[in-house]
Amino acid sequence: AQSVTQLDSQVPVFEEAPVELRCNYSSSVSVYLFWYVQYPNQGLQLLLKYLSGSTLVKGINGFEAEFNKSQTSFHLRKPSVHISDTAEYFCAVIQAAGNKLTFGGGTRVLVKP
Amino acid sequence: GAVVSQHPSRVICKSGTSVKIECRSLDFQATTMFWYRQFPKQSLMLMATSNEGSKATYEQGVEKDKFLINHASLTLSTLTVTSAHPEDSSFYICSAGRLGTGRDEQFFGPGTRLTVL
Repeated sequence: AQSVTQLDSQVPVFEEAPVELRCNYSSSVSVYLFWYVQYPNQGLQLLLKYLSGSTLVKGINGFEAEFNKSQTSFHLRKPSVHISDTAEYFCAVIQAAGNKLTFGGGTRVLVKP
Repeated sequence: GAVVSQHPSRVICKSGTSVKIECRSLDFQATTMFWYRQFPKQSLMLMATSNEGSKATYEQGVEKDKFLINHASLTLSTLTVTSAHPEDSSFYICSAGRLGTGRDEQFFGPGTRLTVL
């Protein structure tokens, strides 16, 4: 079984400032890693994913994440946030041989003007 | 491409009634569909996995007789909440895996907010 921990439940940040959302996972087997964004009363939208290859993954809306196998982390970053980035962000993993996503608890990002 | 819809987007019902939620893959065939529930300010919890033409696989703690799942075709799965009670009020989200692609492809619907009075 795998688990995902998002260390910050809420992250307030000023507009145009950088933001980092932390994600750590636990699994006994190889996993694929994902970051999703959820706007109020909406479903999930994929920001980016790591399957293999380069550990630095670039996604949509200027987000990127770095897979660190030794630290079992997959932190999400954006160098300069916009008001429109205010949303809930979920880190998720899936076993490479499975099909079930396991989500972290979510991090609520509030971008202030 | 890869759009998933849910209907209805919002439903309010009386306690004891049954509610059906539809999940459709609009422009692709889905081998597998997943149903999640999300309580306010919490994460998504997988309820069940359904494959076209076979019985759904429920996660531990999810009552299969209460949450009936039917996956009649490669583009449609339905979740029926039977004899709904206020504690079933939640945000229900489905996702679909696209036929012919790897396990990393999972596309989410916009969700259905259920309120049971």
